[in-house]
Amino acid sequence: QQPVQSPQAVILREGEDAVINCSSSKALYSVHWYRQKHGEAPIFLMILLKGGEQKGHDKISASFNEKKQQSSLYLTASQLSYSGTYFCGTEIWDNFNKFYFGSGTKLNVKP
Amino acid sequence: NAGVTQTPKFQVLKTGQSMTLQCAQDMNHNSMYWYRQDPGMGLRLIYYSASEGTTDKGEVPNGYNVSRLNKREFSLRLESAAPSQTSVYFCASKSGTVDIQYFGAGTRLSVL
Repeated sequence: QQPVQSPQAVILREGEDAVINCSSSKALYSVHWYRQKHGEAPIFLMILLKGGEQKGHDKISASFNEKKQQSSLYLTASQLSYSGTYFCGTEIWDNFNKFYFGSGTKLNVKP
Repeated sequence: NAGVTQTPKFQVLKTGQSMTLQCAQDMNHNSMYWYRQDPGMGLRLIYYSASEGTTDKGEVPNGYNVSRLNKREFSLRLESAAPSQTSVYFCASKSGTVDIQYFGAGTRLSVL
């Protein structure tokens, strides 16, 4: 029931764009995105809800295709500070309280 | 604000020893979670508590027990530690359904 993320790793130059994908085999109620720096706890980036509502901040955007049970995170004009591992997390209709994280996408932004 | 506090930060155990990981939140959140993260991997849900007085199994509950002592505190117990339980353990909390999860700093556990 864990969502599947792709790609597993991305290397960018500063200013380049990246897209990270997350897909689930279960009907999704919401998708969450988190970023984790090495040795630190995950930090919230974005929540996407069924119906299109989004909660988030910063220069990062995302989309949620409910029918395809997929979400994508868009990182535009990447900065060095964007480096880290990005995780999607999902809440499913069967049980809102359970939470499943994907295996992560490691992003490395170079000067 | 302290947020989510986990203790201890580091722990080394011998196989067969027991220990309890403590987690407390001061945000009046209803739901609390315990995850483990193995090197280079994602977070896997061990147990969760949707509200005070309730606990449920996650993806990898074997070898662990939990207690939701009150609304603030959610502890994770390893009764007989095994090397396979070497991992980083994160506690998280959130207010309600479809809400931000706030994570503690993690407990780095090694079982020898």
